[in-house]
Amino acid sequence: DSGVTQTPKHLITATGQRVTLRCSPRSGDLSVYWYQQSLDQGLQFLIQYYNGEERAKGNILERFSAQQFPDLHSELNLSSLELGDSALYFCASSGWGGYNEQFFGPGTRLTVL
Amino acid sequence: TQLLEQSPQFLSIQEGENLTVYCNSSSVFSSLQWYRQEPGEGPVLLVTVVTGGEVKKLKRLTFQFGDARKDSSLHITAAQPGDTGLYLCAGVRGGADGLTFGKGTHLIIQP
Repeated sequence: DSGVTQTPKHLITATGQRVTLRCSPRSGDLSVYWYQQSLDQGLQFLIQYYNGEERAKGNILERFSAQQFPDLHSELNLSSLELGDSALYFCASSGWGGYNEQFFGPGTRLTVL
Repeated sequence: TQLLEQSPQFLSIQEGENLTVYCNSSSVFSSLQWYRQEPGEGPVLLVTVVTGGEVKKLKRLTFQFGDARKDSSLHITAAQPGDTGLYLCAGVRGGADGLTFGKGTHLIIQP
């Protein structure tokens, strides 16, 4: 158990819809990262938040957004969903210092029909 | 273009054999991490290598970082069925940025 929790575990929705994925980092970790994992692209970094502020952006689409709340949990919002957005979405957290070692949650499997 | 290329993509061997998987890049990374992922779960960190030429051992697993910090390898001695999984390398460019992952090596160890 990494200490990172994600909900829901599975999500099935239709094209054009909007969903919200939730993540709670390990106790004490200020950084939260979101990743998308698909068969063709592998694990792709989407966005990072540190203590409530956006810190770095990766390959995140404009239809996607995220935020980190004062209690440090984070939400990833996916809108105008397309079939190609079907993937595993992982949240990871890391502490201060070290070499950016990240601890991953169990993921949310999103299926867009 | 994938910044980190892992090879082989798939590897199926018998229990007791040795194997090496590779992670190569044309870019320099400040450090490199190896993760193992099982189906339906998130990646789990195995090791971080930081210094060019560094070698780290984790029981039967040996990790090496290339001298130029552009490549890495993972060697498993006497593989066991419990080693089955997806092995991912991830590069750190600097600071607290997101990780750059290779596509992984799917390893199956048959009893």
